[in-house]
Amino acid sequence: EAQVTQNPRYLITVTGKKLTVTCSQNMNHEYMSWYRQDPGLGLRQIYYSMNVEVTDKGDVPEGYKVSRKEKRNFPLILESPSPNQTSLYFCASSFGAGNTQYFGPGTRLTVL
Amino acid sequence: DAKTTQPNSMESNEEEPVHLPCNHSTISGTDYIHWYRQLPSQGPEYVIHGLTSNVNNRMASLAIAEDRKSSTLILHRATLRDAAVYYCILGVYNAGGTSYGKLTFGQGTILTVHP
Repeated sequence: EAQVTQNPRYLITVTGKKLTVTCSQNMNHEYMSWYRQDPGLGLRQIYYSMNVEVTDKGDVPEGYKVSRKEKRNFPLILESPSPNQTSLYFCASSFGAGNTQYFGPGTRLTVL
Repeated sequence: DAKTTQPNSMESNEEEPVHLPCNHSTISGTDYIHWYRQLPSQGPEYVIHGLTSNVNNRMASLAIAEDRKSSTLILHRATLRDAAVYYCILGVYNAGGTSYGKLTFGQGTILTVHP
């Protein structure tokens, strides 16, 4: 089954404790992206990747890092999480940015 | 970046058609118009997309104005399962046709479907 998976689905952590949210897709997509969703602000793009080793900033990249060492994986790294990064995070993939994007189920992160 | 404007909310009755409008007056010539929807507690899912001509698929129809400054997503017979937030998004392309990675989701339209 074609899908985008994210782990963990729920995470509660404390300020400053490094964490990684994994994202994996099994559709051989070149394009992958991370979004955060906050009430009243909609979905905002954090980072995206056009292909392996090619990443770029979206609208709200501050406080986040990403890497794309393999085509199927696109982890989101929070080196020193802060409470303002409490949010619902979605990973997405597609053949290209203008193509249909497939979204993961979301990761709800709470930073205390 | 070209932006879209949608009504905050709309309501419909089950089994009736729904027309969800989107304005994109600053759309560029190579921007595709995409629609996604987000059901409660789920990630967004693709609905339909188009460039200039009207488009139909099993989920919906997309009517694009001749000047491309607006479009309408049409759900022909709304069901309770269609209650969701609907997003109208423009795909960003450069002149050569290669797509950039930046997509901007607006606030979307909250569709309520009454039994």
